[in-house]
Amino acid sequence: AQTVTQSQPEMSVQEAETVTLSCTYDTSESNYYLFWYKQPPSRQMILVIRQEAYKQQNATENRFSVNFQKAAKSFSLKISDSQLGDTAMYFCAFSYTSGTYKYIFGTGTRLKVLA
Amino acid sequence: ETGVTQTPRHLVMGMTNKKSLKCEQHLGHNAMYWYKQSAKKPLELMFVYNFKEQTENNSVPSRFSPECPNSSHLFLHLHTLQPEDSALYLCASSQTGGKNTEAFFGQGTRLTVV
Repeated sequence: AQTVTQSQPEMSVQEAETVTLSCTYDTSESNYYLFWYKQPPSRQMILVIRQEAYKQQNATENRFSVNFQKAAKSFSLKISDSQLGDTAMYFCAFSYTSGTYKYIFGTGTRLKVLA
Repeated sequence: ETGVTQTPRHLVMGMTNKKSLKCEQHLGHNAMYWYKQSAKKPLELMFVYNFKEQTENNSVPSRFSPECPNSSHLFLHLHTLQPEDSALYLCASSQTGGKNTEAFFGQGTRLTVV
């Protein structure tokens, strides 16, 4: 079964500093996608960044970047120059296709950016 | 309106009530999903619809009944729920087979069963 594990329930970081959120996953699939979603208090899940498993290059999106280690099944998110608006729950997710895309989520990491 | 819209935002219901949650997507996607989000648990996938056909029922109790009349609308009919069913219910949509592989989410319905 596919599983996603986020071992850090809560983290905090000072404004303008860098923080890394961890995620590991387990799958026997060879083609899949990995995502980081952000859920602020407004509850809307927003995509932060995605990575295709077949791509070796790590994805980046402005201040957000990932460290994708396929062999280790690790997919961490680095947030640089943290801002107060980054305070939210962050979910790591995995998807594969079996006629449709199914998205498997971890338990989330609550990140608080401190002023 | 754009994106994925869920109504109502909040719902309080008794255990003998019948209510429905509604989800509408304006993204032209062909797949829609219901997830249950409880505290300190991973998001639980409940149902998946692809081109209006149910492709996944993740062992959800029959007191939850989904309906997908077309690719843009998804309902979750609720009947004789239990207090442990109180949670945030999220709807999502995606385009299968397309370049954009991510799911887009609504803001959820916060359900409280009393």
